[in-house]
Amino acid sequence: DGGITQSPKYLFRKEGQNVTLSCEQNLNHDAMYWYRQDPGQGLRLIYYSQIVNDFQKGDIAEGYSVSREKKESFPLTVTSAQKNPTAFYLCASSMYRTSSYEQYFGPGTRLTVT
Amino acid sequence: KNQVEQSPQSLIILEGKNCTLQCNYTVSPFSNLRWYKQDTGRGPVSLTIMTFSENTKSNGRYTATLDADTKQSSLHITASQLSDSASYICVVSITGTASKLTFGTGTRLQVTL
Repeated sequence: DGGITQSPKYLFRKEGQNVTLSCEQNLNHDAMYWYRQDPGQGLRLIYYSQIVNDFQKGDIAEGYSVSREKKESFPLTVTSAQKNPTAFYLCASSMYRTSSYEQYFGPGTRLTVT
Repeated sequence: KNQVEQSPQSLIILEGKNCTLQCNYTVSPFSNLRWYKQDTGRGPVSLTIMTFSENTKSNGRYTATLDADTKQSSLHITASQLSDSASYICVVSITGTASKLTFGTGTRLQVTL
């Protein structure tokens, strides 16, 4: 898992509540990413950030929000607008901003919404 | 449409045996191809990364091959161990994009006694 931490490992929420997933890296990487993983599907990009105070929507950004106030931190908020929030969420970081560089993944947070 | 397809979906082998996992992709323009190992409930860990000009790369008992002409890659695992039980994910990146990785759905490998 390198120098990327995600917390908590398991998270349970009631439907209609917003929830924030933490992601911190001490690798001094510029870029950070959030992915969602569902059974039988490849990882899908939610949001990414190439630099502090800037972020871009990925393929499935609806119902999610992020912030990048510090280089080492990229929290993800799952809002009540996300229709199917139960999933395994993975944070990643890479040294530089292009996809040519290695992405290092955190250990993941499993979110269950009932 | 950019796609990465992996086969088989799942595989069971005896400890000590070899196996080969396949990856076919239609991603263009191609930048590099990566293989990741993901243990259950954990984040993926990189095994190899290959650019267009590389056709073989090894990492211990893992050997990846790439045929950029046919857009195929394989991951060969030699002398499998119980700890090799995991999902193996093929990932292809596109040249010039800030973020775009296309992920396969993975091959679930189980190594048994």
